Amino acid sequence: DSGVTQTPKHLITATGQRVTLRCSPRSGDLSVYWYQQSLDQGLQFLIQYYNGEERAKGNILERFSAQQFPDLHSELNLSSLELGDSALYFCASSPGVGRDQPQHFGDGTRLSIL
Amino acid sequence: GENVEQHPSTLSVQEGDSAVIKCTYSDSASNYFPWYKQELGKRPQLIIDIRSNVGEKKDQRIAVTLNKTAKHFSLHITETQPEDSAVYFCAANTNSNTGKLIFGQGTTLQVKP
Repeated sequence: DSGVTQTPKHLITATGQRVTLRCSPRSGDLSVYWYQQSLDQGLQFLIQYYNGEERAKGNILERFSAQQFPDLHSELNLSSLELGDSALYFCASSPGVGRDQPQHFGDGTRLSIL
Repeated sequence: GENVEQHPSTLSVQEGDSAVIKCTYSDSASNYFPWYKQELGKRPQLIIDIRSNVGEKKDQRIAVTLNKTAKHFSLHITETQPEDSAVYFCAANTNSNTGKLIFGQGTTLQVKP
């Protein structure tokens, strides 16, 4: 158990819909990261939040957005879903914002678009 | 741009043999290199990491080496066991004051009993 909690474990929805993925970081961690894992793209960095503020952005689509709340949990919102959005979405957390902080991953949310 | 290349994509070894996975990074400012193990259907699990101020780090049967000049780093697993079978990912940080990691494409390791 990494201490990072993600819900739900599975999501099945249709194209055009909107979903929200939730992540609670390990106790004491201030940074939350979101990654997408698909079969042909490997692990792709989406976005990082640190203590409520956006810190870094990767190749995150405009249809996707995220936020980190005062209690440090984070939500990733995916809208106007397309078949290609089907993937595993992982959340990770680390203690600080820095470049060399170990990141620990949650168990992921498997998103299936029908 | 930021890129991490990982080789081989698949690796099959006999139990007890050693396994080596190699990664090359493009950003000369990268200074943190973690390795993750992902079993089927599970989360990536951090198994070892190395910072650029050291050339080698060991943890029991696992070791990582770093060559900053050549911009490559490697994972070495000795005395492999069937439970080492998994996908292994290398990663590197970037030239920014963030935790953004760039991952390699992964190596599927199969350890045959």
